[in-house]
Amino acid sequence: NAGVMQNPRHLVRRRGQEARLRCSPMKGHSHVYWYRQLPEEGLKFMVYLQKENIIDESGMPKERFSAEFPKEGPSILRIQQVVRGDSAAYFCASSGWDRSTDTQYFGPGTRLTVL
Amino acid sequence: GQQVMQIPQYQHVQEGEDFTTYCNSSTTLSNIQWYKQRPGGHPVFLIQLVKSGEVKKQKRLTFQFGEAKKNSSLHITATQTTDVGTYFCAGMTSGTYKYIFGTGTRLKVLA
Repeated sequence: NAGVMQNPRHLVRRRGQEARLRCSPMKGHSHVYWYRQLPEEGLKFMVYLQKENIIDESGMPKERFSAEFPKEGPSILRIQQVVRGDSAAYFCASSGWDRSTDTQYFGPGTRLTVL
Repeated sequence: GQQVMQIPQYQHVQEGEDFTTYCNSSTTLSNIQWYKQRPGGHPVFLIQLVKSGEVKKQKRLTFQFGEAKKNSSLHITATQTTDVGTYFCAGMTSGTYKYIFGTGTRLKVLA
């Protein structure tokens, strides 16, 4: 859905650099999910956040990866010291107040390439 | 952990033929959603099923949720070239806050 904004759309990093991915949810949405998609594969859940809270980060690697959703501003997925295996499409999705039934609207994704 | 499998992984059909993809969860689901992703695009929500045995239709698409709420199917009647893409199911287990996506079925429609 065009309402969820992600930037940048494409990001190229060299091994060891940091990647910072941004996601602005749809207006009025307070739930943000991050997913990773490798080429030719499905979407893997990484983390679920509400404003200023990480609700479930069970799908996110313990090291090098972090996520936040501050009171003001977009949600950020941060990958430190990137490696080639981090190359993937990263999608965020947002939903309304009822997380159990509300539709997730996906952003266009950020395609990360690690050289 | 919870797993959601889809079959088939790939399907090539002639335009006008029917197509079905099946989704199976290792655990009982509270609800299931279906998405379509075009090549190079992002997942687009199609439908959500909540009730046991529920059937919903959208034009040529029919969605079904199994009685045990562990499986679901998507059937497309008389496929068109615009149906090309990968179809994902995504299930949520009660008490969790995340959707586990299926492995996807990639559909190619030959004109």
